[in-house]
Amino acid sequence: DADVTQTPRNRITKTGKRIMLECSQTKGHDRMYWYRQDPGLGLRLIYYSFDVKDINKGEISDGYSVSRQAQAKFSLSLESAIPNQTALYFCATSDLGGEGSETQYFGPGTRLLVL
Amino acid sequence: AQSVTQLDSHVSVSEGTPVLLRCNYSSSYSPSLFWYVQHPNKGLQLLLKYTSAATLVKGINGFEAEFKKSETSFHLTKPSAHMSDAAEYFCVVSVNRYSSASKIIFGSGTRLSIRP
Repeated sequence: DADVTQTPRNRITKTGKRIMLECSQTKGHDRMYWYRQDPGLGLRLIYYSFDVKDINKGEISDGYSVSRQAQAKFSLSLESAIPNQTALYFCATSDLGGEGSETQYFGPGTRLLVL
Repeated sequence: AQSVTQLDSHVSVSEGTPVLLRCNYSSSYSPSLFWYVQHPNKGLQLLLKYTSAATLVKGINGFEAEFKKSETSFHLTKPSAHMSDAAEYFCVVSVNRYSSASKIIFGSGTRLSIRP
């Protein structure tokens, strides 16, 4: 089984609808992240969480919210979807290695289309 | 401030020839550097990482990268390209701070095409 799973894998929705993307991990990591990927822009950080009580905004958090329900679960919500939120969304987890380096492990992605 | 620049948005090589994907970084602190690969319709997979140990890092699938502090570069290489190497490659810089979030910056990606 995959260590980081995302549901759904694909989603089509309409402008103004509320949707939730879910992420679960079995790696036992405390840190979890949500990114969006747009062609030519690489990955941009939306939100991140260091533990259940620690949630932080990333560089592009406007229009998004998150919930850390448990160490293993981190959900991303679009309260009122708009077409420019059409993108590929990735969840990631990370640990701090012995050298203090942080390595991220990614889910398979959710492809979202907002009409 | 940290930044990462992938110098080529698209690289095309023939099967069996060497691969070079270029990455330059900027960091105020000692960075960790990573290369990830993304195959079509797949998530990102870690290829290799540099974390202040050996400057020449070997990764999976025959890839390696060399950290050159004087040139602020972390180029990805492979001696002989295979058709299965066709994918998008991302260079990532991370500055680690134990008491707060690491600053993780992704490059914009390099698409590698392999010609038969």
